[in-house]
Amino acid sequence: AQSVTQLDSHVSVSEGTPVLLRCNYSSSYSPSLFWYVQHPNKGLQLLLKYTSAATLVKGINGFEAEFKKSETSFHLTKPSAHMSDAAEYFCVVASGTYKYIFGTGTRLKVLA
Amino acid sequence: GAGVSQSPSNKVTEKGKDVELRCDPISGHTALYWYRQRLGQGLEFLIYFQGNSAPDKSGLPSDRFSAERTGESVSTLTIQRTQQEDSAVYLCASSLEDRDFETQYFGPGTRLLVL
Repeated sequence: AQSVTQLDSHVSVSEGTPVLLRCNYSSSYSPSLFWYVQHPNKGLQLLLKYTSAATLVKGINGFEAEFKKSETSFHLTKPSAHMSDAAEYFCVVASGTYKYIFGTGTRLKVLA
Repeated sequence: GAGVSQSPSNKVTEKGKDVELRCDPISGHTALYWYRQRLGQGLEFLIYFQGNSAPDKSGLPSDRFSAERTGESVSTLTIQRTQQEDSAVYLCASSLEDRDFETQYFGPGTRLLVL
């Protein structure tokens, strides 16, 4: 069985400060992990993915995530938030199967 | 190249009516997926196609929901006798193959409102 937990439903940061969105997963096999972003009234866009290569994954728009097997975590970070980062972020796990399991999402608010 | 497209972008219907939602995947993608996103919630898997076959329909919430895919391309999700609880955004995605490491590319969704 596989599952994913996004630990915060809402995160607020000031513009220019670091962003941390937390994700923990559970899987029976070596997982593939993804972060997607959804801007208001837009489709889901892939930020980055981990597929058993380098544990530190760099994505678009300055985001990165680190796969930590011992902690079963895949937290998303960005050194400096921009107003345009305000959106909903989804952590996704897929393990031994095509089926994506989505977290419930974290809504990021960026304050001026 | 073109991404995944869906139509209509918005649909308002009356309770009890049937609706059809369309998805055009990325050309050459063999796998196609339908999801439902209710307000303020994550995505809920509905059905998956490999080619024109649907090996996994486990997420369809009731027998009012059905889907088909033709020509290993376009897919249609049909909801019969719509209910208010069917109101949601319906998202389609496609991927090159049905493997766990494959990226799924999402369309913009169809926002369905059942009055």
